[in-house]
Amino acid sequence: QTVVTQETTLTVSPGGTVTLTCASSTGAVTHAYFPNWLQQKPGQSPRPLIFSTSNKYSWTPARFSGSLLGGKAALTLSGVQPEDEAEYYCLIYYGSEFVFGPGTKVTVL
Amino acid sequence: QVQLVQSGAEMRRPGASVKVSCKASGYTFSSYEINWVRQGTGQRPEWLGWVSPYSDGTAYAAKFVGRVSMTTDASMTTAYLELSSLRFDDTAVYYCARGRVGLYDLDYWGQGTLVTVSS
Repeated sequence: QTVVTQETTLTVSPGGTVTLTCASSTGAVTHAYFPNWLQQKPGQSPRPLIFSTSNKYSWTPARFSGSLLGGKAALTLSGVQPEDEAEYYCLIYYGSEFVFGPGTKVTVL
Repeated sequence: QVQLVQSGAEMRRPGASVKVSCKASGYTFSSYEINWVRQGTGQRPEWLGWVSPYSDGTAYAAKFVGRVSMTTDASMTTAYLELSSLRFDDTAVYYCARGRVGLYDLDYWGQGTLVTVSS
């Protein structure tokens, strides 16, 4: 059974920078896993931010960026805004199925 | 604009089945897959599978094989999720999400349908 892990909680100051990571129990996360990142606020549907490691949607704010970092998928928020407080999920494609990470709660304080 | 509009909340007894619909608009329905994802209260999303409107092909998460069926009606640009033998832990919000072939993403999501399993 494939397990995806993320940081449970991260706190960042407004205007600061924070990096979230996403690891896989199968080994290093690579571009072949097409890592995605989604943001979810209470009572809302998940909102996609990043696909295929580092690609943004038309609605993705420029302060969000995706990458691979030390064998993990990573999401960096630069110049954090209060409205970025949310749960962030990574989504990994394993060839026959998708697996979501447990989510990282980002608090802006 | 791309929209996925889902059917309303459902309540079922344990052992029953439920069918949720997802009406797509604003794009060529047959050119994208429809994925189904569920999320229990306070839990991470969980992928159930996808259905291809152009091939009628499906892929289901191993956990749901034998209990799930995903279909589409191209004339209605609507996708359907049917889940049978419902258990209490199937209580969740069920989402449909559009998938782009070859990019393995879920770029547009429906508003969600709450399915409650209760005796």
